Amino acid sequence: QSVLTQTPSVSGTPGQRVSISCTGSTSNIGAGYDVHWYQHLPGTAPKLLIFGNTNRPSGVSDRFSGSQSGTSASLAITGLRAEDEADYYCQTYDISLRDWVFGGGTKVTVL
Amino acid sequence: QLQLQESGPGLVRPSATLSLTCTVSGVSLNTETYYWSWIRQAPGKPMEFIASILSTGSTFYSPSLQSRVTISADMSKNQFSLKLSSVTATDSAVYYCARRGIAAAGSPVFDAFDLWGQGTLVTVSS
Repeated sequence: QSVLTQTPSVSGTPGQRVSISCTGSTSNIGAGYDVHWYQHLPGTAPKLLIFGNTNRPSGVSDRFSGSQSGTSASLAITGLRAEDEADYYCQTYDISLRDWVFGGGTKVTVL
Repeated sequence: QLQLQESGPGLVRPSATLSLTCTVSGVSLNTETYYWSWIRQAPGKPMEFIASILSTGSTFYSPSLQSRVTISADMSKNQFSLKLSSVTATDSAVYYCARRGIAAAGSPVFDAFDLWGQGTLVTVSS
């Protein structure tokens, strides 16, 4: 099991807003370590969506946004599209484990 | 075009050493702004960080794997490699190579993994 907990799946219809949560602890997110988010389609290279809690790399749609508060972080997708159907992972550093850690992943389904 | 490509055997015998190589295209390994890393994902498990190496030779290993892992880099070939010894079935996974920024060195993506390979499936079985 991961030290970062994510809801296994979320779904929405095209155009809707969905939110993915990532719950950590005082040894990772709560300790102030940046949270990063990745989009992954099986068989392809994972793609960096959000870095440093809230920042989008060049080329990433502004429909994706990140936030962080306390020991949790969230990724929001607005204007949901069929192409957003993928697995999403949060990631940060854990000072107790002295390791880079990932969430278990959330599968987004577009209905 | 920026690209990372993993290569290596897809089947490894139990107790053997798993060896993988990542070939980097479009960017030089010889930078102090990024670590070059290995990450894996076993079926039904979260992604797991394995190791990172900097162009200076500085390395970082996951505490849970460091006794069995060696990461190295060949700047002349723009490649970096992973060796994982004494493998068991639990080491069966998709192995990814990736680039991780170093925030303190001015990485534009802080310390995120901003560039990934497609991954290579490694199965440990006799």
